[in-house]
Amino acid sequence: QVQLVESGGGVVQPGRSLTLSCAVSGFTFSSYTIHWVRQAPGKGLEWVADISYDGSNKYYADSVKGRFTISRDNSKNTLYLQMNTLRVEDTAVYYCARDHYRSGSYYMDYWGQGTLVTVSS
Amino acid sequence: DIEMTQSPSSLSASVGDRVTITCRASQDIYNFLAWYQQRPGKVPELLIYDASTLQSGVPSRFSGSGSGTDFTLTISSLQPEDVATYYCQKYNRVPLTFGGGTKVEIK
Repeated sequence: QVQLVESGGGVVQPGRSLTLSCAVSGFTFSSYTIHWVRQAPGKGLEWVADISYDGSNKYYADSVKGRFTISRDNSKNTLYLQMNTLRVEDTAVYYCARDHYRSGSYYMDYWGQGTLVTVSS
Repeated sequence: DIEMTQSPSSLSASVGDRVTITCRASQDIYNFLAWYQQRPGKVPELLIYDASTLQSGVPSRFSGSGSGTDFTLTISSLQPEDVATYYCQKYNRVPLTFGGGTKVEIK
């Protein structure tokens, strides 16, 4: 069955860096766009970034542009999110989610369980 | 950027009631709209895409309608397992944007 498993979350000080991973199984990873979506505690959903099936196209929310970098390793069936210069407002559960299509940014049909990132001094 | 506004932000209804949630886009998004359900403590799940197409496995009591700027999600007969927060999401172009959510509770 389709599985997306995030890891790498934790507590980090403001201004520091953290890298999240999303390991995928149950489908052909290299055939789909994948997203990162986050949810601050008690708040709604916020799209963060996505990357096309081959990594050639990447898109970011304005709130993370220039600080976060999305990447993928199709040989390892793994998605990454490098987060630099973290802010308190980046505190959230981070989900990876599969897009319905291989290229372009559409809607998410499978979601991981999420990993919590807490930015605090 | 296009803003997505959901209403109401919360509602309480009885089992068996018909429930309607509205999502309004600040610009025309054609039918590029999805709806998600997030049960308490759980991961979001896709309900509807292309404004009105039911995702496989979703109960038929859920339906979506609308195009352009105004969209609705309807639950024809509310069930206890439908207690959740519902989000709309537009995808006509990046950035992808979610509505603020509608929390549905049982009266």
